[in-house]
Amino acid sequence: DGGITQSPKYLFRKEGQNVTLSCEQNLNHDAMYWYRQDPGQGLRLIYYSQIVNDFQKGDIAEGYSVSREKKESFPLTVTSAQKNPTAFYLCASSITGQGGLNTEAFFGQGTRLTVV
Amino acid sequence: RKEVEQDPGPFNVPEGATVAFNCTYSNSASQSFFWYRQDCRKEPKLLMSVYSSGNEDGRFTAQLNRASQYISLLIRDSKLSDSATYLCVVNRWLMDTGRRALTFGSGTRLQVQP
Repeated sequence: DGGITQSPKYLFRKEGQNVTLSCEQNLNHDAMYWYRQDPGQGLRLIYYSQIVNDFQKGDIAEGYSVSREKKESFPLTVTSAQKNPTAFYLCASSITGQGGLNTEAFFGQGTRLTVV
Repeated sequence: RKEVEQDPGPFNVPEGATVAFNCTYSNSASQSFFWYRQDCRKEPKLLMSVYSSGNEDGRFTAQLNRASQYISLLIRDSKLSDSATYLCVVNRWLMDTGRRALTFGSGTRLQVQP
């Protein structure tokens, strides 16, 4: 089955630790995204990548880092510099069409990160 | 000003009612518009794309007004199962990177009541 997979579903982190959230897709999509969602809020863009070995900061990139070494994978590291990391993290992918337009995004099931 | 703005609601409507949501976007260079549905504690899922000519899918109708920079979603004959948060999505141009990225509004919550 084609799709986008995030792991783990739930993650607990101690303050001061870095953690890495996994995102893998087998849809052959060029573009991948990381969003953060806080309770009762919309999705805010953390990082995005249009092609392999290239990624750009979104609106709230501070305290996060990513890599895009393979087309299928776009892991997100939440560093200790992120002051309020408890949130729901969503990874998405889409096709990059003509003129750099992105088609609709397909989402993974998300990772709930809690700092304890 | 937010790039994509929506009325957060909640919209509480009885079954069978017609309800409309609006979404405004600030970047006139935006292209590609979508409506997503998100159920509680779940990932968003595509409801429908929005085209300049407007498009309809069963009880759902989406419209785009480029001159006024807003998109709308109309739901007719509301069902209990329509209760969810509806997210407006715009493929906007990020000037500092020269790239486009899908940007989400904060969502409008709909509660359909029996």
